[in-house]
Amino acid sequence: AAGVIQSPRHLIKEKRETATLKCYPIPRHDTVYWYQQGPGQDPQFLISFYEKMQSDKGSIPDRFSAQQFSDYHSELNMSSLELGDSALYFCASSSPRGGRTEAFFGQGTRLTVV
Amino acid sequence: AQTVTQSQPEMSVQEAETVTLSCTYDTSESDYYLFWYKQPPSRQMILVIRQEAYKQQNATENRFSVNFQKAAKSFSLKISDSQLGDAAMYFCAYKPGAGSYQLTFGKGTKLSVIP
Repeated sequence: AAGVIQSPRHLIKEKRETATLKCYPIPRHDTVYWYQQGPGQDPQFLISFYEKMQSDKGSIPDRFSAQQFSDYHSELNMSSLELGDSALYFCASSSPRGGRTEAFFGQGTRLTVV
Repeated sequence: AQTVTQSQPEMSVQEAETVTLSCTYDTSESDYYLFWYKQPPSRQMILVIRQEAYKQQNATENRFSVNFQKAAKSFSLKISDSQLGDAAMYFCAYKPGAGSYQLTFGKGTKLSVIP
């Protein structure tokens, strides 16, 4: 079965650079979520989109922005990168079936800021 | 704000034995969902089991079952016949009912399985 696809899997950036992470949800899933998991930490919710509109906002820094496109894929744009942004970034998606009660996670993008 | 607490940072279990991981949560909502996610060394987040708050019956998925105590706001995970592949970090997570898409995670419990 198709899963959530994230690209790239690994990314190394320097301080003050920008990064774009991409997420391709499971087909027919209309809701996308972004989470940040620092080393040894639990995942922290950043932002979510439902039908291409922002639906929830968590602890996303102002330096970050995200959007969901007409094909339902989503991109997380991160600017002025800081060392503390080094983390595993998860995307998850859910389906209208069952009221979007289950989120399926991608394998994550590991961002390292040097 | 909702909070999820996992009081056991680390647990270990002998292969083929049973282990229970604890989770408590705090919410003022009556409609919500609870989940256990498994994160092996590959760091993939894998859904293990979910529970709807309106259901009194405890969820089960093969060797995994939960003990959901709504009044006590407790949601423990029992793993029976533990296998080496069960070794992972386990996260308890809370999701409000209709209208919100945000998961709140606990800090996790690292489970080791001893051969």
